[in-house]
Amino acid sequence: NAGVMQNPRHLVRRRGQEARLRCSPMKGHSHVYWYRQLPEEGLKFMVYLQKENIIDESGMPKERFSAEFPKEGPSILRIQQVVRGDSAAYFCASSPDRGMQTQYFGPGTRLLVL
Amino acid sequence: QKEVEQDPGPLSVPEGAIVSLNCTYSNSAFQYFMWYRQYSRKGPELLMYTYSSGNKEDGRFTAQVDKSSKYISLFIRDSQPSDSATYLCAMSRNTGTASKLTFGTGTRLQVTL
Repeated sequence: NAGVMQNPRHLVRRRGQEARLRCSPMKGHSHVYWYRQLPEEGLKFMVYLQKENIIDESGMPKERFSAEFPKEGPSILRIQQVVRGDSAAYFCASSPDRGMQTQYFGPGTRLLVL
Repeated sequence: QKEVEQDPGPLSVPEGAIVSLNCTYSNSAFQYFMWYRQYSRKGPELLMYTYSSGNKEDGRFTAQVDKSSKYISLFIRDSQPSDSATYLCAMSRNTGTASKLTFGTGTRLQVTL
């Protein structure tokens, strides 16, 4: 059973460009979460989604950031008009319907904004 | 004040030592407690998961939760150089459904030969 998959693993963008980060949850998992980890800081929750629904976006910045988890395909975290402060590691996690409190993390996407 | 406090370390111990890692928290609504291990430039790996108070043991790892003190611990017995990593505590509320994790900042552990 493949784990949580994220791509790309590394992403370089210039200021003002768009970044798209993709996450495929573990097989059978319908809950997806996005977290951001800044250097020397812990992981901070951004958004929690189920298929086609945003359940909790209390950690998402109000502007430039959006997330989706369509019926088919991976979850996407989209950052528009990136700024240097967006440089961080972005982790996706998923959990099953049973035992939904246990979240399993992907390898992360490291975004560098030049 | 952060909801979850964790000493960042680094904590350096000799091989074979018993390691004690701790977190304190302020929100009494937290009911689920987890420990993750994160190697450099990798994703967090779930080590231990406990619900409410009590102890849980898995191999060389023991997790303890003391809700009355709002204090959780992870003990590693017979530590190995391969245990060198950052250990993150995490916790969540009991909302009847899945919910976000609140993390400590992580403790960096170095096990030396």
